[in-house]
Amino acid sequence: SQQGEEDPQALSIQEGENATMNCSYKTSINNLQWYRQNSGRGLVHLILIRSNEREKHSGRLRVTLDTSKKSSSLLITASRAADTASYFCATDVGPGTYKYIFGTGTRLKVLA
Amino acid sequence: NAGVTQTPKFQVLKTGQSMTLQCAQDMNHEYMSWYRQDPGMGLRLIHYSVGAGITDQGEVPNGYNVSRSTTEDFPLRLLSAAPSQTSVYFCASSFRQGAPGANVLTFGAGSRLTVL
Repeated sequence: SQQGEEDPQALSIQEGENATMNCSYKTSINNLQWYRQNSGRGLVHLILIRSNEREKHSGRLRVTLDTSKKSSSLLITASRAADTASYFCATDVGPGTYKYIFGTGTRLKVLA
Repeated sequence: NAGVTQTPKFQVLKTGQSMTLQCAQDMNHEYMSWYRQDPGMGLRLIHYSVGAGITDQGEVPNGYNVSRSTTEDFPLRLLSAAPSQTSVYFCASSFRQGAPGANVLTFGAGSRLTVL
């Protein structure tokens, strides 16, 4: 079964707007990551947040983690058409497990 | 740097045929893994390896075999292909846990497999 599930499944916004997508997971985690996948391509790592961190920034990306609610959110500010892609969260359930479990993804479309 | 290289990019098989999807990385990553991606299902872990000679099962291992004879290569074998194995397959690698850059997966471009 999937460890993570993203919400919403699909999101369409205008260029310049902010995009927020959420990830919920089921068990305790060691860290949580977000990846981007452009159509027909492999996934590209965006950001990693550890279980003892609450917020992390990288450029236009802001990730929050709430371990009490087993959820994370990814905020993309000032979105661009090039941000159009699918976004996935991935969790690993603890040191030494090496099982990175991906969610079902959010399809983001940024309209120019 | 080539990163993670997968071959072939596309393959069509008939039910019952066998084939091997190749994955090679040139980053000295100890960890390598195979995922399949199906519409609406996200990515599901098939098998993974934490070093040469060491492999383990993921979420959906049935119908697939793997081996890891070298650090660089991690082939995925389908012994008797079934239509349910029609999917896009991704190989991913990273440094071992505890090392700098660990946990961050580098993905290949994918292999699209159709089983008729």
